[in-house]
Amino acid sequence: NAGVMQNPRHLVRRRGQEARLRCSPMKGHSHVYWYRQLPEEGLKFMVYLQKENIIDESGMPKERFSAEFPKEGPSILRIQQVVRGDSAAYFCASSPLAGGPLAKNIQYFGAGTRLSVL
Amino acid sequence: DAKTTQPNSMESNEEEPVHLPCNHSTISGTDYIHWYRQLPSQGPEYVIHGLTSNVNNRMASLAIAEDRKSSTLILHRATLRDAAVYYCILRPIQGAQKLVFGQGTRLTINP
Repeated sequence: NAGVMQNPRHLVRRRGQEARLRCSPMKGHSHVYWYRQLPEEGLKFMVYLQKENIIDESGMPKERFSAEFPKEGPSILRIQQVVRGDSAAYFCASSPLAGGPLAKNIQYFGAGTRLSVL
Repeated sequence: DAKTTQPNSMESNEEEPVHLPCNHSTISGTDYIHWYRQLPSQGPEYVIHGLTSNVNNRMASLAIAEDRKSSTLILHRATLRDAAVYYCILRPIQGAQKLVFGQGTRLTINP
């Protein structure tokens, strides 16, 4: 079983460019979560999506950031007009079921995408 | 979100047991206690979870105080590969599904 796949692992962008981060959840998982880890800081929740729906975006910055999880294909976290403060590790997690028996509510994380903004 | 308190860092020796404490004095009756860890340059990894009773799995044991206001993650025989940041997280059975990470405990294992 392949785990959560994130690509690219490393992404370099210049200020003002767009960054697209991709996340393929584990097979059979329909719930995706994005987290951000700024340098020397803890992990912060950004957004929770199910197929074609955003369930909780309480951690998303109000501007420039968007996320989607289409019916087919990976989840995408998009950052428009990147700034240096967006430099961070972005982690995606997936789970098979939310709100059900807790054993199935464990989140499985990818290795992350490390975004560097020059 | 219920808050947890953990020591910033701990150190132990290889092949010795490690006890990682977590205080959660404001825990509610429907909060589960989850532990995740993050190895260097990797994403977080689920370790164990419990509600009231002590729990064991192949990775670790979780000891939960009778009043549930604290818990301890036990690594029975630490290896160098256990060096990581360990996070204690409270998760309500209902409601928001996000994980709320604190600062965690950075565990160093000496050879």
